[in-house]
Amino acid sequence: TQLLEQSPQFLSIQEGENLTVYCNSSSVFSSLQWYRQEPGEGPVLLVTVVTGGEVKKLKRLTFQFGDARKDSSLHITAAQPGDTGLYLCAGDHGSGNTGKLIFGQGTTLQVKP
Amino acid sequence: DAGVIQSPRHEVTEMGQEVTLRCKPISGHDYLFWYRQTMMRGLELLIYFNNNVPIDDSGMPEDRFSAKMPNASFSTLKIQPSEPRDSAVYFCASSRRGGPVNNEQFFGPGTRLTVL
Repeated sequence: TQLLEQSPQFLSIQEGENLTVYCNSSSVFSSLQWYRQEPGEGPVLLVTVVTGGEVKKLKRLTFQFGDARKDSSLHITAAQPGDTGLYLCAGDHGSGNTGKLIFGQGTTLQVKP
Repeated sequence: DAGVIQSPRHEVTEMGQEVTLRCKPISGHDYLFWYRQTMMRGLELLIYFNNNVPIDDSGMPEDRFSAKMPNASFSTLKIQPSEPRDSAVYFCASSRRGGPVNNEQFFGPGTRLTVL
């Protein structure tokens, strides 16, 4: 079974703090996506990383794809209450381009004012 | 542009009743996915279609669950008979091979199902 393990599962921090969320697997992925889900809504894509070692920045969010393309991290600088939500990583094996993504269990982030 | 449309948004039913969830994917998308989300199990893929054909239904819990996609603009997920353990949020998502972001999935708002 191809799994993506996210850690931590839950994170509650104060506004202004930094945090890192990890997404790990024993499988190699051709690309990895990060989604954010707000209460009552479906997940929305934040970023896709494709190349091993790739780093992408989205304002205060920094995403990194591991050199071996088996893991990824999401770092948030100076977290704000608006960052509260469920963060999901999803891997695409690419081979055969099935369209199917493997989702992690998610990290629930709460940023308190 | 309209996103993925799901109906109903909320459904409350009694154990044993039939439940039908509906989804309209984004026009031009050739993949459609049905997911179930619970606190305990997270986001689980139930089944997905490519060009209206079911590709992988290994995530469907049991024979009480069935899904159809009669055309490119409509899909249903049916539970018959429903049980309390089916209570969850059901998401439909669609994607397009070869899009700007390969395999980016666009999710609907979900249907919150409660089986009493």
